[in-house]
Amino acid sequence: ELKVEQNPLFLSMQEGKNYTIYCNYSTTSDRLYWYRQDPGKSLESLFVLLSNGAVKQEGRLMASLDTKARLSTLHITAAVHDLSATYFCAVDEETSGSRLTFGEGTQLTVNP
Amino acid sequence: NAGVTQTPKFRILKIGQSMTLQCTQDMNHNYMYWYRQDPGMGLKLIYYSVGAGITDKGEVPNGYNVSRSTTEDFPLRLELAAPSQTSVYFCASSYFVYEQYFGPGTRLTVT
Repeated sequence: ELKVEQNPLFLSMQEGKNYTIYCNYSTTSDRLYWYRQDPGKSLESLFVLLSNGAVKQEGRLMASLDTKARLSTLHITAAVHDLSATYFCAVDEETSGSRLTFGEGTQLTVNP
Repeated sequence: NAGVTQTPKFRILKIGQSMTLQCTQDMNHNYMYWYRQDPGMGLKLIYYSVGAGITDKGEVPNGYNVSRSTTEDFPLRLELAAPSQTSVYFCASSYFVYEQYFGPGTRLTVT
């Protein structure tokens, strides 16, 4: 059974600081996704990482994938309040077409 | 494009009742999915479909049924609702293994 673990689960940080969210998974896969969810809302796709070494950046967020270590990171640079949300990573079980297993999510709060 | 639409947005069911959650996408995506999200948790896959006429179970299929007669629609049927099915239900679609696009969700309470 595929397990996806995120840490930390809760993150409170000050505006202007940098931090990294980690996503570890338990099986071989080279398809990993990051999503953002605001309270009471649906999920918004942030990044799609489809190969080892993939790196994607959008604004203050950068995601990377190391399939050998079974690890993805979501790095936040110079955080701003608007980034406050819950961030999920999800890993695709390659054997089943497209079948995502989600981590528990990291609830990020950026304080002024 | 409307993207992925779901109805209803909210529903309260009594134990033992049945209902169908509707999901429609207008992006011509071949893959569609149903997830549930319990409070403070990640999403769990209930059922998915890789094309019309093809469905398969996800991680938590018990108590649910699906059908996919068209590319656009992927309804989720709850039979004999139980309090454990209180959750937020999200439908999603994708073009093969690329990013999944999520609907706005249906908040279901079973009492």
